[in-house]
Amino acid sequence: GAVVSQHPSRVICKSGTSVKIECRSLDFQATTMFWYRQFPKKSLMLMATSNEGSKATYEQGVEKDKFLINHASLTLSTLTVTSAHPEDSSFYICSAKGLVGAYTEQFFGPGTRLTVL
Amino acid sequence: DQQVKQNSPSLSVQEGRISILNCDYTNSMFDYFLWYKKYPAEGPTFLISISSIKDKNEDGRFTVFLNKSAKHLSLHIVPSQPGDSAVYFCAASPSNTGNQFYFGTGTSLTVIP
Repeated sequence: GAVVSQHPSRVICKSGTSVKIECRSLDFQATTMFWYRQFPKKSLMLMATSNEGSKATYEQGVEKDKFLINHASLTLSTLTVTSAHPEDSSFYICSAKGLVGAYTEQFFGPGTRLTVL
Repeated sequence: DQQVKQNSPSLSVQEGRISILNCDYTNSMFDYFLWYKKYPAEGPTFLISISSIKDKNEDGRFTVFLNKSAKHLSLHIVPSQPGDSAVYFCAASPSNTGNQFYFGTGTSLTVIP
């Protein structure tokens, strides 16, 4: 299957700082990438959908100024958590839908554990 | 509002037996369903899918059943193996474009050797 990577895998930051998480499709071009957040013992919550070269579409309740998403190329999307606070601590997962492969599968990255002190 | 529900947070099964994981949904517009497997601190991996035009899809040890009238689907794993121990999420989409998925809360499966 297709490979999606995330960097970093774990990050610890101080409250008030900004953190950038990268999501890359390694062996295919992703026209659409998705960002999810998983709370402990909760389901994956879709935060936003990003298409290459256009603005991201945010789900209801997700602050677009708080979670900045940039899909600069067909293989890279970034999520920046601005002015992070302890309540932003979570497991963030990206996924990608590629030009090659099944339409209905999403290939997920390994996730990024964010801890805000 | 949780549109996709997995009411059993955990399940333990003896190795070699059948594992049955259940999932219910409320939105009648959902017509494409998937199961994902997730290990701790990793992203989910795709297992198997089914569209609403079918009521069963089989792939090796994994079979997904869909009951549209009951808005219920289930994943059967036969025979269960210790390596199957993971959290299983079901997901539903209103189309097969794969753009909008709604996930259940997951069921943690433990297969006992």
